[in-house]
Amino acid sequence: DIQMTQSPSSLSASVGDRVTITCRASQTINMYLNWYQQKPGKAPRLLISAASTLQSGVPSRFSGSRSGTDYTLTISSLQPDDFATYFCQQSYSILPLTFGGGTKVEL
Amino acid sequence: EVQLVESGGGLVQPGGSLRLSCAASGLIFSSYAMTWVRQAPGKGLEWVSSIIGSGSDTYYAESVKGRFTISRDNSNSTLYLLMNSLRVDDTAIYYCAKFTLGLRGHIDPWGQGTLVTVSS
Repeated sequence: DIQMTQSPSSLSASVGDRVTITCRASQTINMYLNWYQQKPGKAPRLLISAASTLQSGVPSRFSGSRSGTDYTLTISSLQPDDFATYFCQQSYSILPLTFGGGTKVEL
Repeated sequence: EVQLVESGGGLVQPGGSLRLSCAASGLIFSSYAMTWVRQAPGKGLEWVSSIIGSGSDTYYAESVKGRFTISRDNSNSTLYLLMNSLRVDDTAIYYCAKFTLGLRGHIDPWGQGTLVTVSS
């Protein structure tokens, strides 16, 4: 199985801060990396696909990048609506699909 | 707009069975692979099972293989998850979701989820 190690598991930040969340894959996943945002009591929402493709309707302050087997989600200037939990997911290996453990972004 | 609406969750005793349904609208259902992902209370996301558009190929997490069966009715745009031999650690919100570009694509959108509680 491909393990996705996500860090940090939680972070405290303020409005306007630059926030960086990282997922490290246990093997190469060739950009098959997606990022989701989940708010309490809600279903996950796709933010970024293929490591860096911003989904329609997602603010441009969100971005994704890759360095080797490390994948990064960056929020350039944290807004009140961004306080949520973020998950990465690899789709390189479909059996099984695996998610990172999540990062809770708190005030 | 694609909408996915799950139903069928509830309280069941260990060893019991439950069938979840996911009604899809706003898409040509048979064209898309679908998946179930679950989330235990306060925990992360765990992939459960996937099925291709025709229904001929199915995939399962090791934790549910042999107990859960995914299926679909393309004529009624509905996805199912039959869960047998349920265990306490199957307690979770179960989300139905659509793959965008085949089984290696991203998952979007997700349904609102249905809660399954396994307890005596």
